[in-house]
Amino acid sequence: ETGVTQSPTHLIKTRGQQVTLRCSSQSGHNTVSWYQQALGQGPQFIFQYYREEENGRGNFPPRFSGLQFPNYSSELNVNALELDDSALYLCASSRGQGGGYEQYFGPGTRLTVT
Amino acid sequence: GQNIDQPTEMTATEGAIVQINCTYQTSGFNGLFWYQQHAGEAPTFLSYNVLDGLEEKGRFSSFLSRSKGYSYLLLKELQMKDSASYLCAVRDWGTGFQKLVFGTGTRLLVSP
Repeated sequence: ETGVTQSPTHLIKTRGQQVTLRCSSQSGHNTVSWYQQALGQGPQFIFQYYREEENGRGNFPPRFSGLQFPNYSSELNVNALELDDSALYLCASSRGQGGGYEQYFGPGTRLTVT
Repeated sequence: GQNIDQPTEMTATEGAIVQINCTYQTSGFNGLFWYQQHAGEAPTFLSYNVLDGLEEKGRFSSFLSRSKGYSYLLLKELQMKDSASYLCAVRDWGTGFQKLVFGTGTRLLVSP
């Protein structure tokens, strides 16, 4: 196990609703990256937080937003949920700006939008 | 832009050797990772290459050729538990930050 935790494990939401997913990074890691993994696909980069600031963003609309807290834990918020948002959401923590040498993944949150 | 290609699916027999190839095109290459992912679980780190050549780690080896934009993961003495998806990921410099760009994964099925 990597020491990265995510909650909740599973979540079912209705189209149009909002959701908040949480991630606790591994001790000593100050960078958190979020990924969306649709079924049968590789993870897609959503955004990255370093020391409480968004450090970089992938091709996701503004309704995907995030936060990082002083203890380096992080939240991913998705507004106005769409059916295509159904996926496994992974967070990964690492040391140093830019993701560092290695990213350690949490177990993921499985989001189903109906 | 970035593009990473790997085979969708491979099959092999227990005890055999399998090689999973990955080709990539990226504007700011800064290392290539291989991850293993069992169904419904998080990816787990297998290997990292940033210089050309072979990195060996027990039953797993990974090779990189930066000039060819090519990597492979070699799995020896296959075991049933090696049945999983194998993700090739390139660390790419964006505008002032690094991110991992993943391929779609190769689903490996190991049979007795």
